[in-house]
Amino acid sequence: DSGVTQTPKHLITATGQRVTLRCSPRSGDLSVYWYQQSLDQGLQFLIQYYNGEERAKGNILERFSAQQFPDLHSELNLSSLELGDSALYFCASSRLSGMGTDTQYFGPGTRLTVL
Amino acid sequence: DAKTTQPNSMESNEEEPVHLPCNHSTISGTDYIHWYRQLPSQGPEYVIHGLTSNVNNRMASLAIAEDRKSSTLILHRATLRDAAVYYCILRVYGGSQGNLIFGKGTKLSVKP
Repeated sequence: DSGVTQTPKHLITATGQRVTLRCSPRSGDLSVYWYQQSLDQGLQFLIQYYNGEERAKGNILERFSAQQFPDLHSELNLSSLELGDSALYFCASSRLSGMGTDTQYFGPGTRLTVL
Repeated sequence: DAKTTQPNSMESNEEEPVHLPCNHSTISGTDYIHWYRQLPSQGPEYVIHGLTSNVNNRMASLAIAEDRKSSTLILHRATLRDAAVYYCILRVYGGSQGNLIFGKGTKLSVKP
């Protein structure tokens, strides 16, 4: 158990819909990262928040957005869902901003299926 | 981040040592070498990291070449639970982004 929790575990929805994925980082960790894993693209970084502020952006679509709240939990919002958004979404957390030796701890993931 | 090259797959027998290689010929002096692994149906997990010297922890050992252009993750006695995809990742100390860049990794199969 990494200490990172993600809800829900599974999500099945229809095209065009909007969903919210939730992540609670390990106690004391300031950074939260979101990654997407699909069969054809592998693990892709989406976005990082550090102590409530956006720190880095990866290949995140404009239809996707995220935020980190004062209690440091984070939510990833996916809207106007398409079939290709079906994937595993992982949240990770780290103590600091992620540089050098800062280890990332991953949650169990949310499996999103868009029908 | 500098690029790494790993074999697509490797096979091992249970209770035998496993050496997982990683080439990183364009590594810079401030790049740390990290290894993560992803067990089936789970999120990635940290294994080990190092800069110049060989490193040991309860999970594995990391052997780093003197020129730092390659490294080897060593599992001393493979178990069935070690079957996973292993990722070798370079992390810049003091870089502008904290995210991990995952390649395709090495899929390790362990035979009983």
